[in-house]
Amino acid sequence: QITLKESGPTLVKPTQTLTLTCSFSGFSLSSSGVAVDWIRQPPGKALEWLALIYWDDNKRYSPSLKSRLTITKDTSKNQVVLTMTNMDPVDTATYYCAHSYNFDNSGSFFDAFDTWGQGTMVTVSS
Amino acid sequence: DIQMIQSPSSLSASVGDRVTITCRASQSVAGYLNWYQQKPGKAPKLLIYAASSLQSGVPSRFSGSGSGTDFTLTISSLQLEDFATYYCQQSYRTRTFGQGTKVEIK
Repeated sequence: QITLKESGPTLVKPTQTLTLTCSFSGFSLSSSGVAVDWIRQPPGKALEWLALIYWDDNKRYSPSLKSRLTITKDTSKNQVVLTMTNMDPVDTATYYCAHSYNFDNSGSFFDAFDTWGQGTMVTVSS
Repeated sequence: DIQMIQSPSSLSASVGDRVTITCRASQSVAGYLNWYQQKPGKAPKLLIYAASSLQSGVPSRFSGSGSGTDFTLTISSLQLEDFATYYCQQSYRTRTFGQGTKVEIK
């Protein structure tokens, strides 16, 4: 059974750096095809994809936030860490990490988020 | 980056109704399109992957279709537990979500 759980501060001040940790179990981030993503959702708004890290340490970022984001993994600890610099009140949101599963559909492979963490609410305010 | 536009943004329907939600991509995403259901205060749940494949454990009243730029999620007979917000998401080039469709009780 795959589980993920986000942890980090609930309140950060504007201009500070946010560091969130995703602790997971039930899979290894060193297994081929596996990825972990970060997604956020401001209150009452839509989901926004932020970043992903693959088993081979390849990383991808949202173009609009790329300059502020860094994603890393610690395979031995089963953790993925997301840092976001220069936080602003508009970054107030629930932050989720998710397991990206590589579904085999008739020989073609498709990624989808089959398991999500419960989310952690981060408020940016002075 | 690829933009995903859902329509409608919200809809009202009754139990037993057939509901259709549309998702359009700003460029082709082939079949790399997923659908999620989200209830208030909960994480999203995967319903459909690869445009039309039903995730394990999801009721068969949910179905997906489409390829390229135009996709559809259909709920054949709406149940009380289906009132929620639905999101499409492409995985062709990194990831992008649609803006969501809220399904409300009429």
